[in-house]
Amino acid sequence: EDQVTQSPEALRLQEGESSSLNCSYTVSGLRGLFWYRQDPGKGPEFLFTLYSAGEEKEKERLKATLTKKESFLHITAPKPEDSATYLCAVSPGSNYKLTFGKGTLLTVNP
Amino acid sequence: DTAVSQTPKYLVTQMGNDKSIKCEQNLGHDTMYWYKQDSKKFLKIMFSYNNKELIINETVPNRFSPKSPDKAHLNLHINSLELGDSAVYFCASSQLGQYAEAFFGQGTRLTVV
Repeated sequence: EDQVTQSPEALRLQEGESSSLNCSYTVSGLRGLFWYRQDPGKGPEFLFTLYSAGEEKEKERLKATLTKKESFLHITAPKPEDSATYLCAVSPGSNYKLTFGKGTLLTVNP
Repeated sequence: DTAVSQTPKYLVTQMGNDKSIKCEQNLGHDTMYWYKQDSKKFLKIMFSYNNKELIINETVPNRFSPKSPDKAHLNLHINSLELGDSAVYFCASSQLGQYAEAFFGQGTRLTVV
């Protein structure tokens, strides 16, 4: 069964303090690994797709990387508006279903 | 202009009742989804429709019945509600194959008492 484990569950940073979120996964034949941002009371918002080990994607202060067992979401010099829950999901090679992790709740204090 | 809209946003009901959640998208997408986010925060796919045809039907009690009158609408009807049905239900839409880049609605928080 496909599994996604995200750590830490919660992370509190000061504005400008860079850090990383981790997503460990087991999946039968990775079709893709995906990162989302979810604000309170809203649905997830797609951020990145990573397809193969070694791939990297960037968007503003966020950078996602992928290895064969895990993905990292690096946040450089975060701002309070980066506060949200970040979700990781994987899709197996056999179908188009997504398996999500529980997410990491990021709080950036000014 | 709301891309994916769900109604109602909050739903409190008693055990045993039947309720419906409506979803509409104005993005011109051909595929729509229902997801459930439980108290442990896991988001899980329930159903997916492409052009009014059911293409994903996860292991969901048959008390849950999706209905897609057209490709812009996907409703969820739940019979005989149970306490364990309490969760946030999200509707989403995408073009077929772009399932990971789906646009999500704001969610419907269902509380069964």
